[in-house]
Amino acid sequence: NAGVTQTPKFQVLKTGQSMTLQCAQDMNHEYMSWYRQDPGMGLRLIHYSVGAGITDQGEVPNGYNVSRSTTEDFPLRLLSAAPSQTSVYFCASSYSRGENIQYFGAGTRLSVL
Amino acid sequence: SQQGEEDPQALSIQEGENATMNCSYKTSINNLQWYRQNSGRGLVHLILIRSNEREKHSGRLRVTLDTSKKSSSLLITASRAADTASYFCATDAMDSNYQLIWGAGTKLIIKP
Repeated sequence: NAGVTQTPKFQVLKTGQSMTLQCAQDMNHEYMSWYRQDPGMGLRLIHYSVGAGITDQGEVPNGYNVSRSTTEDFPLRLLSAAPSQTSVYFCASSYSRGENIQYFGAGTRLSVL
Repeated sequence: SQQGEEDPQALSIQEGENATMNCSYKTSINNLQWYRQNSGRGLVHLILIRSNEREKHSGRLRVTLDTSKKSSSLLITASRAADTASYFCATDAMDSNYQLIWGAGTKLIIKP
């Protein structure tokens, strides 16, 4: 099993550009999340999904969109990149609501110039 | 809305020594988890302790939970160079609607 796969690993954008960060998991997990990690801070939840077709906002959703058309895939779209979105982005999945143990991808390091 | 706060922010010890890091949180929880993050990598789950548990062990890891003080500690015994990483606590609050709340982490450096 590959686990949680994120692409790309690195990306540089110019202000105003849009892009999609890809996330796929092969563990048949219902729950998937997107986080951003900034220096000196814990993870902050951007969006999450409790199953195909169901998404909801987390703590910092502005400037980001998500969709969940299949159980496996949970892409994160940056609509119009801003320097404040420079961060490391992590996708995670978990099997059950009960314990919510999360499995993480390797991350995407994004710089917005 | 960070719930978890960890201390110390950074810890540097000699290989073989024990490392202790602490996590405090603000609201009632279902469980508390600890994760490790090696430099440039994703987080890896270490251990979960439920709100009705007081202590849990996994290999060289020992986690305690004091719900009256809303705090937890992670002890790594007989540290190794490979334990060098950042360690994060995450709480599953009772009213969280699935969202884990993360602490800012403790950066642990093991000196050879």
